[in-house]
Amino acid sequence: AQSVTQLGSHVSVSEGALVLLRCNYSSSVPPYLFWYVQYPNQGLQLLLKYTTGATLVKGINGFEAEFKKSETSFHLTKPSAHMSDAAEYFCAVSRVSGNTPLVFGKGTRLSVIA
Amino acid sequence: NAGVTQTPKFQVLKTGQSMTLQCAQDMNHNSMYWYRQDPGMGLRLIYYSASEGTTDKGEVPNGYNVSRLNKREFSLRLESAAPSQTSVYFCASSTDGTAYEQYFGPGTRLTVT
Repeated sequence: AQSVTQLGSHVSVSEGALVLLRCNYSSSVPPYLFWYVQYPNQGLQLLLKYTTGATLVKGINGFEAEFKKSETSFHLTKPSAHMSDAAEYFCAVSRVSGNTPLVFGKGTRLSVIA
Repeated sequence: NAGVTQTPKFQVLKTGQSMTLQCAQDMNHNSMYWYRQDPGMGLRLIYYSASEGTTDKGEVPNGYNVSRLNKREFSLRLESAAPSQTSVYFCASSTDGTAYEQYFGPGTRLTVT
């Protein structure tokens, strides 16, 4: 069975500092991986996804993530945090084939301090 | 193109009351999902429908029923609401394919007193 672990339920960074949100997955087959963002009182929206090909994936709002198979990780980064990045971030995994739902991590709340 | 819409946005129920949460999508997606979100628990799948006419249980189906009315609509029913069902409910939809992403509605905030 697949699972996702997000290390740190809450991460706080200063404005302009590096953002690093950690995600590790467990999957018996190569997965597809996703990062979603949820702003207060809104639904989730897709930041980026890894399917095949290049392991460094770029998303919206300057975020990127790197798929590392050997480490079973898909950490989300952004070089310079902005106040508007404050939100909750969810990592999710799916199988490559089959019509099964995504499995989500428990989320990491990002706070940005001025 | 409205995407995924949910009604109502907010609801307060008394224990034992019933209600139906409505969800519709206009993206011609085959698959639809219902999640609940609770603090510290992430998103937990209640039910999903891989295609019109089919539904499957997710991680936390007890106390809920669903209906895939047609390709566009997927409703979630609470027959006898309990305080433990106080949560934010999200509907999502996705296309078929090898790298499907899910599109989420804005959510319904439900309080059961």
